[in-house]
Amino acid sequence: KAGVTQTPRYLIKTRGQQVTLSCSPISGHRSVSWYQQTPGQGLQFLFEYFSETQRNKGNFPGRFSGRQFSNSRSEMNVSTLELGDSALYLCASRQNLGYNEQFFGPGTRLTVL
Amino acid sequence: TQLLEQSPQFLSIQEGENLTVYCNSSSVFSSLQWYRQEPGEGPVLLVTVVTGGEVKKLKRLTFQFGDARKDSSLHITAAQPGDTGLYLCAGYNYGQNFVFGPGTRLSVLP
Repeated sequence: KAGVTQTPRYLIKTRGQQVTLSCSPISGHRSVSWYQQTPGQGLQFLFEYFSETQRNKGNFPGRFSGRQFSNSRSEMNVSTLELGDSALYLCASRQNLGYNEQFFGPGTRLTVL
Repeated sequence: TQLLEQSPQFLSIQEGENLTVYCNSSSVFSSLQWYRQEPGEGPVLLVTVVTGGEVKKLKRLTFQFGDARKDSSLHITAAQPGDTGLYLCAGYNYGQNFVFGPGTRLSVLP
């Protein structure tokens, strides 16, 4: 079974631009979560989607948004990019809400100049 | 707020040595996961422990969940350069988000 895939793997943007990242979960997995990872803050939870609905949200500004499609694929969007948004953005999927194992994709490395 | 602490933060050892890393919390978790992450890649799930006192072995890696389900340890026997990476623990309770520790960065020198 194919793992979680994320595209693109690398992105370079400038301040003020917006970006959309994509995640395809493991086949059959219906929950998708997004995380931001930086050296200083570690892994921080952004949000989780299940059945096209946001179920949980972390402590991030409204510039960070996401959505999930009927095939469970998910996208996250960051608008008005700031230098501090440079990070590895990770997507993780699990079979259902309440399932205690999640599996990560390789991440998208975003650099904001 | 649930928090997980990991120690040590950094560990550099020679190939063949043994090591233990720790994951501690003041909160109880229904399950705990360990991941290994290599630079520029996503974390890879190593194991999930769910029962207090549970011990799981994965080749040279031994994972233990504390009796009170508040802490866990990862012991590596005869470390190899391929064990190098960031080791993350994550706690989970039903209906809540996964809580991640800051990680232990392990370097195994040949």
